[in-house]
Order: sequence, then structure tokens, then C-alpha cells
Amino acid sequence: AAGVIQSPRHLIKEKRETATLKCYPIPRHDTVYWYQQGPGQDPQFLISFYEKMQSDKGSIPDRFSAQQFSDYHSELNMSSLELGDSALYFCASSLVYEQYFGPGTRLTVT
Amino acid sequence: KNEVEQSPQNLTAQEGEFITINCSYSVGISALHWLQQHPGGGIVSLFMLSSGKKKHGRLIATINIQEKHSSLHITASHPRDSAVYICAVAGTSGSRLTFGEGTQLTVNP
Repeated sequence: AAGVIQSPRHLIKEKRETATLKCYPIPRHDTVYWYQQGPGQDPQFLISFYEKMQSDKGSIPDRFSAQQFSDYHSELNMSSLELGDSALYFCASSLVYEQYFGPGTRLTVT
Repeated sequence: KNEVEQSPQNLTAQEGEFITINCSYSVGISALHWLQQHPGGGIVSLFMLSSGKKKHGRLIATINIQEKHSSLHITASHPRDSAVYICAVAGTSGSRLTFGEGTQLTVNP
């Protein structure tokens, strides 16, 4: 069965650079969630989209933006990267309630 | 006080033992999730519960809505069960997940 796809799986950037993370939900899933998991921390909700509209917003910095496209994939854009942005970024997709997680993108900011 | 609390934080067991991980939450929820995270980070959804009990293979998850408590049980534990187990809840006002701090389970052969 198709799963949630995230790309890239690993990304190394320098401070003040920008990064774009992509999430491809399970086919027919209309909702995408983004979570950030810092080293040794539990995941924190960033933002979610339902039918291409932002549905909820959590602790997402103003330097980050995200959107969901007509094919339901989502992109998380991160600018002016800081060392503290180094984390594992998960997306999850759902159709009704259960969320299915992607493998994550590990971002390292040096 | 965190909205979602798990216990224990760390658990070491011998192969074959029966394991219980507990989760308590302090907010109203629409659903509770049990997740498994292996080294390297990938998260796998084990169960989603809104009432009662679910069983999948050697894993059993229960929830008591009145007491705001859920348990994850692993029967006949195996070293491949070693992972971090995370309890996460979806609130009544939306479906974003709030995560517990996880339980690091190590099963020794």
C-alpha cells in the first residue's frame, strides 16, 4: 500500500539559508499535518491543511510558511535558517481521523 | 504539567515478558494514538482509539475515557519490539496531535 512520501530524507543547510521540504500524502487523503521533533524532544505540531486551505496552526515560526497544492502534496518553506531549526520534520496525512506518518526529513543546520 | 504524560519513561524487559506502558491525559480528546518510533526516526501508527480496546497481533491498546487513561500492552515481548512508544492525543477542537514524551522500551534476549 502507498505510504506518505517525504523528500528529501536528509538535508544539510547553513545558517541563514532557505530550505523546502515536501510531503506527498497517501492517495485520496485530503489533510496534511507538519510536525517538528527536535533532538531528544517529542514532536510538536506546526501546521495543517485540509483541502488546500490552512486548517490549524501551531508553534510555527514566522520564518516558515507552508501550503498544500491542488494534487494535495504540501511544501514547508523555511527561511533564514537557525541552528535551532535542526530537527526531524514529519508530515502525516489523513482522510478522516487516523494520521499516517511519513519517514521524516532530517534537517541539519550548520 | 504536560497535557499528555506517559509512564514509565524507560523500560527494560527480558524477552517473553508482558509489558505495559501507561498514558494519562488532562484534556478532552476525540482520539488517542499509540505510535512507535525506531532509531533513525520513522514513526509508525500502531493504534487509534476513541473507546474500548483494540488488538493487533501481540499488541493490545485500551482506553478509559472517564479516567482519561490508556494503556499499551505487549505480550510475549521480543527484542525487535525495542523502540520508543509514544502516546498522542487529538483534541476535541481539532485533529492536531499532542504528544507524550515517549517510553523507551528495551527488550533483551
